[in-house]
Amino acid sequence: GAVVSQHPSRVICKSGTSVKIECRSLDFQATTMFWYRQFPKQSLMLMATSNEGSKATYEQGVEKDKFLINHASLTLSTLTVTSAHPEDSSFYICSARIVGAREQYFGPGTRLTVT
Amino acid sequence: AQTVTQSQPEMSVQEAETVTLSCTYDTSESDYYLFWYKQPPSRQMILVIRQEAYKQQNATENRFSVNFQKAAKSFSLKISDSQLGDAAMYFCAYRSLLIIQGAQKLVFGQGTRLTINP
Repeated sequence: GAVVSQHPSRVICKSGTSVKIECRSLDFQATTMFWYRQFPKQSLMLMATSNEGSKATYEQGVEKDKFLINHASLTLSTLTVTSAHPEDSSFYICSARIVGAREQYFGPGTRLTVT
Repeated sequence: AQTVTQSQPEMSVQEAETVTLSCTYDTSESDYYLFWYKQPPSRQMILVIRQEAYKQQNATENRFSVNFQKAAKSFSLKISDSQLGDAAMYFCAYRSLLIIQGAQKLVFGQGTRLTINP
């Protein structure tokens, strides 16, 4: 089946630094990737949608200069949290979809802790 | 904009019994997909079942089935013969069929935490 990986699974960084999270589709080409943020005991909040080779579309209220998304190839998208602060601590999940497909396939998530 | 509502923050059921999780949604579209996802403690999102709005027949996957009421905009999930491994957060989700920017995203409900009592 379709597998999506995320790296790292956990990351701790100091306030003010930047951290990059990778999302890879391992056995399919993902024309569209989605980045979500999930707070404890809450639902997934879509941050942005990215299509390969084009700029990401950010949801209202998401700072595009803080959460940089790159989708340079059909199998890799990256989320960079720039100048991270403790309030950016959260669980970040990516998902990927092939154009025209019904399902999205989710990665296992990355827990970010900013100290 | 579409919205998805899960009115039961928590549910519990005895092992081997049946439980139904509720979901309602709001949309002006006639064709769309509805999904139920499971998120166990590992936090990996797992697709449980999918329903195409144009299909009148309710989807079934082994012990999981849905009651899709299009006119009422209701999409409940029934879990039969509940097992300990079914304990998880369950999210109902909607996706448009429109091929326009932003329409292809999943819209999630708030989630229902299901506990299975042994």
